[in-house]
Order: sequence, then C-alpha cells, then structure tokens
Amino acid sequence: SAVISQKPSRDICQRGTSLTIQCQVDSQVTMMFWYRQQPGQSLTLIATANQGSEATYESGFVIDKFPISRPNLTFSTLTVSNMSPEDSSIYLCSVEANDRVSYNEQFFGPGTRLTVL
Amino acid sequence: AQKVTQAQTEISVVEKEDVTLDCVYETRDTTYYLFWYKQPPSGELVFLIRRNSFDEQNEISGRYSWNFQKSTSSFNFTITASQVVDSAVYFCALSGGGYQKVTFGIGTKLQVIP
Repeated sequence: SAVISQKPSRDICQRGTSLTIQCQVDSQVTMMFWYRQQPGQSLTLIATANQGSEATYESGFVIDKFPISRPNLTFSTLTVSNMSPEDSSIYLCSVEANDRVSYNEQFFGPGTRLTVL
Repeated sequence: AQKVTQAQTEISVVEKEDVTLDCVYETRDTTYYLFWYKQPPSGELVFLIRRNSFDEQNEISGRYSWNFQKSTSSFNFTITASQVVDSAVYFCALSGGGYQKVTFGIGTKLQVIP
C-alpha cells in the first residue's frame, strides 16, 4: 500500500497568483499522477510524472499552466500558475502501487481544495 | 479509448433500503482493472474495491457487494440495508494497469435519508 500526504489541504488564492501543491508518498513509486476535480465533476487526469523526466500532460493541460516537478521517487509538486476562478478545484495526487498485494491499485492523496477569488 | 458510464447521477433512498449503482465500461484492453471509490462530503477518495478483468467472481464485503459481468461490460455496486453514512459520491473507474491513467465515471451521488 501507499500513504500519500498533500500540502496544503486547502487554500484561497487571488486571481493571477500561483500555488504549488506538494505530494509526499511513504514509499518509492515509479509514477505519480495529478488529477483535477472541478466542483460537481469527476476526476480528470492532468499529467503523469515520472522521476527524472518531464511530465506527460493530457489533452487540454499544458506545462506552462501546470508545471510539475518530480525530484525523487517519493515526492512531486504541481503548480497552478496565473490562477483564475476556473481553476477552483480539488487537486489530487495519486500513485499506482507496485507491491505484490496492492499491484495496480491506485492510491489517492487527501486532495488540495483550491478556491480562486 | 477507455470510457466509464455511470448513468445514475443522483439516487435517493430511505435508510435500510438496498441500492444498486450501475457502471458500464468500454475498453479495448484485454487486461484491465475496475475500481469503485467513495467520496464523502469531506472530499477525500476512499478506495472500495479493485477487480481485474480475469476475475469475474462477485465479491461481498459486509453490506457491500459487486457484480462484475464481462459479457455486458458492467461492474455494478450494491449497498444492502443502506445507512446515512453511505451518503457520498461513488465513482466507478477503469485502468489498463501498468501505470496507465485511471478513467473515472462521472460519479453517482447517493443520498440516504433517515
């Protein structure tokens, strides 16, 4: 299994500013995923982050808006840049377990609830 | 492309009633994984079950049960004797495994009325 923590848990930000969300995992994982959940909506994958290489972004998401870092096998950050009210969402970090018991199980962090005014 | 359809966007039941949440999926993968997650009002995602495409056995866990039918590409979730604490949004999800992304359905909001 994997235990994931995220910081901050919530924040209220002003339009035009940027926020960096941290994701820490208690074990080494190959891939980390960042999802967005807009109010009343389902989860949408923003990007996949592999340690040592640039993140791979899904259609509709760009690196300039959502830069991601993955400095090691247990940590990643997602920055929401030049924020607008449309960025108000829950942002979730996720990993896929690679141990024998939880193989292919996705684990999610508690989420960061972002409100942009 | 993968797709998950949860046709029921909102369901209301009276406490102690049984309720079934429907999930239909589409994938071209021969190996895939299906999941159900619960998201209570607090917002965190709670893992409920993972099922791989080679295991069609139904599963029961307490008041929860899941019915996986490859023939109809469905993975339905039943809560028996529902309780108020079951009120949440429930997501069905699909993954090809191997570090592929998880595709989520739109979610079914379940309200259990006391």
